[in-house]
Amino acid sequence: DTGVSQDPRHKITKRGQNVTFRCDPISEHNRLYWYRQTLGQGPEFLTYFQNEAQLEKSRLLSDRFSAERPKGSFSTLEIQRTEQGDSAMYLCATSGGSTNEKLFFGSGTQLSVL
Amino acid sequence: AQTVTQSQPEMSVQEAETVTLSCTYDTSESDYYLFWYKQPPSRQMILVIRQEAYKQQNATENRFSVNFQKAAKSFSLKISDSQLGDAAMYFCASPASGTYKYIFGTGTRLKVLA
Repeated sequence: DTGVSQDPRHKITKRGQNVTFRCDPISEHNRLYWYRQTLGQGPEFLTYFQNEAQLEKSRLLSDRFSAERPKGSFSTLEIQRTEQGDSAMYLCATSGGSTNEKLFFGSGTQLSVL
Repeated sequence: AQTVTQSQPEMSVQEAETVTLSCTYDTSESDYYLFWYKQPPSRQMILVIRQEAYKQQNATENRFSVNFQKAAKSFSLKISDSQLGDAAMYFCASPASGTYKYIFGTGTRLKVLA
C-alpha cells in the first residue's frame, strides 16, 4: 500500500473552466476528507465521506463545488466555472481500518486559476 | 465557531536543543484524537504524533512528545534534539464538536539553526 494518492499534482486553468481532481485512498480506509489550503494558512475543511455517503459539507463550499465517492473507493472533487479565488492546494485525507483513526494526507493538487 | 489556536507564528531553535510548540482547542467531544502534522516545503502533510484524549499518558514518538492537558484543552508538542530536517510548518488539529471534521490551527513555522 503506497498511501493516499492524488492526481494531478498541479493544474493550471483559465477562469471559467471546470476542473476535476481525483483522490485514491489507502485501500482499507472508509473515511475520506477534502481540505483546501492557501499559502500561510492551515487546511480548511471542504467535505467528508464515510464509504460512499457524503455526510458533511462545509457551508463555505459554494454550489460550484461538488464531490463524489462512487462505491466508497476513489473520490473526485469538481470545481465548475473556476474563479481566481479558487487557487489553492486541494488536499485529500483518509482514515479508518487498522490504522486506528490516524488521518493520512495525499500530496495534494495545486490549482492555479489564471 | 470552534477554533484551534497556535499562538506562535514562528519559532527558532538551535540544532540539538529542545523546543515546544503550543496549541489550544475548544472541542466539547468526550473521546477524541488530537494530531500534530509537519508540512515541509514540499507541502506534504506528515503525521508527527497523535494523542488519544481518553488516555492520560502523553504520547511519545522518538524525539517527539506531547504535553496534553485535557482540562485546559492544551496540546503542546515538544521536539527534543532538534535536527535541521525538523524545519517546517507544524499544524495541530482537533475534532469539531458534533461534526465529522477536524479543524486545523494556523500553524507554527519552525526554524532550526545550525
